[in-house]
Amino acid sequence: DQQVKQNSPSLSVQEGRISILNCDYTNSMFDYFLWYKKYPAEGPTFLISISSIKDKNEDGRFTVFLNKSAKHLSLHIVPSQPGDSAVYFCAAKGGTSYGKLTFGQGTILTVHP
Amino acid sequence: NAGVTQTPKFRILKIGQSMTLQCTQDMNHNYMYWYRQDPGMGLKLIYYSVGAGITDKGEVPNGYNVSRSTTEDFPLRLELAAPSQTSVYFCASSWGPTGELFFGEGSRLTVL
Repeated sequence: DQQVKQNSPSLSVQEGRISILNCDYTNSMFDYFLWYKKYPAEGPTFLISISSIKDKNEDGRFTVFLNKSAKHLSLHIVPSQPGDSAVYFCAAKGGTSYGKLTFGQGTILTVHP
Repeated sequence: NAGVTQTPKFRILKIGQSMTLQCTQDMNHNYMYWYRQDPGMGLKLIYYSVGAGITDKGEVPNGYNVSRSTTEDFPLRLELAAPSQTSVYFCASSWGPTGELFFGEGSRLTVL
């Protein structure tokens, strides 16, 4: 039973355009959501997060939107750059999870020059 | 600024062999985690620790053991390696239950 799902295995975008990565979750106990970015042969690095009491959080070119009623969140990257090409993981935690994250399968983003 | 350091980066094991993946963090984080990532899949939690002397199972603990004798170190032990344990293993740490996780670079293990 996959509690966090990223249904798009890959996404290809032109440089300068918007990248939209999507994530769905099923566990209503999740109250904090994060996006991680991963380059090949490296560990995931934290990108941006959002608490369930908010519906939007922005950090430079990155914005995360949370729709609690739909149990859906998305990451917008504007404008996309070739250096953004990586695997993006959505993750969630909540309740008495002791900080444990539940991850989605990841989406491979490719930004073409 | 070493952060989270994992060794070895690569290892090939034969079925039935044992080994320990080492993980050290220098950020004085209380919380530490071991995840595995299989191809095309997200990271799955193996074990975690909320402080020295305290460990607990995650989602996929079978075939693994951990210990936490110090704040800095959180080794992962594979006792009888099986092909199903072929994966990339990531160690992570956080300052608390609400903090972001900092990951090591990963250890790629192949069991033949």
